[in-house]
Amino acid sequence: DGGITQSPKYLFRKEGQNVTLSCEQNLNHDAMYWYRQDPGQGLRLIYYSQIVNDFQKGDIAEGYSVSREKKESFPLTVTSAQKNPTAFYLCASRSGTNQPQHFGDGTRLSIL
Amino acid sequence: GDSVTQMEGPVTLSEEAFLTINCTYTATGYPSLFWYVQYPGEGLQLLLKATKADDKGSNKGFEATYRKETTSFHLEKGSVQVSDSAVYFCALKASNYQLIWGAGTKLIIKP
Repeated sequence: DGGITQSPKYLFRKEGQNVTLSCEQNLNHDAMYWYRQDPGQGLRLIYYSQIVNDFQKGDIAEGYSVSREKKESFPLTVTSAQKNPTAFYLCASRSGTNQPQHFGDGTRLSIL
Repeated sequence: GDSVTQMEGPVTLSEEAFLTINCTYTATGYPSLFWYVQYPGEGLQLLLKATKADDKGSNKGFEATYRKETTSFHLEKGSVQVSDSAVYFCALKASNYQLIWGAGTKLIIKP
C-alpha cells in the first residue's frame, strides 16, 4: 500500500547530540513537509520541499536541517542547536497544489 | 496574515450527542478549508475539505460548510461515538499553498 513511513516511532537524544528522523513516501508526491507538534498546540512548519534538491525554511527552522536528494525521502536532522527538541514530529507529503497533505504516524523525540 | 481559530478543548460529550467544533478563519481571498483528525499516538488524517464558498464537506458522518459571510467552517456530527474521541484540527490553504493550522480541539466521548 502507498503511504508515508516515519521512523523510528520513538527516539531519545542525549544533550549535545544530533539525531536524524526518517521520512519515506511511495506516493510519488512532489512536495514534502516537516511539522513539529507540542502539547495543546497546532502544527508548526519546520521545513518543506516542493521538489528534489530544493527546500525552504518554515516558521521554526532554527536548530533543524533537511535534505531532499531523492523524491521519496526527506530526512530531518535535529541538531544540538535546537535547545528544546522534545516534541512529536510529523512528516507529510502532497501531490499537487490543490491536493490535501498526507501524514505519517509521527516520531516522538525525547531528551535523556 | 492568515490565521485559523478553533474552540478550545477538551470537549466532552456523551455517546450519541450532537457535536459542533467551531472554526473561524482570517485570510485574503477564498482559501480551501480542511478538517483533519488525529487519533492518539498517530499522525493526522484528512477528514473532509471544502474548496469554495457554500461547499459542504462530509465524511464518516461529519460535515462542515464553508461560510464566506461568517468566515467559518464549523465541524458537526449528529451522533458521536466513543471511537470519535480524537484531536480535530481545522486548517486553511494559504496563497503560497502552505497549510495554516488551528491549535486543535480534543474531543472526549464518554460511553
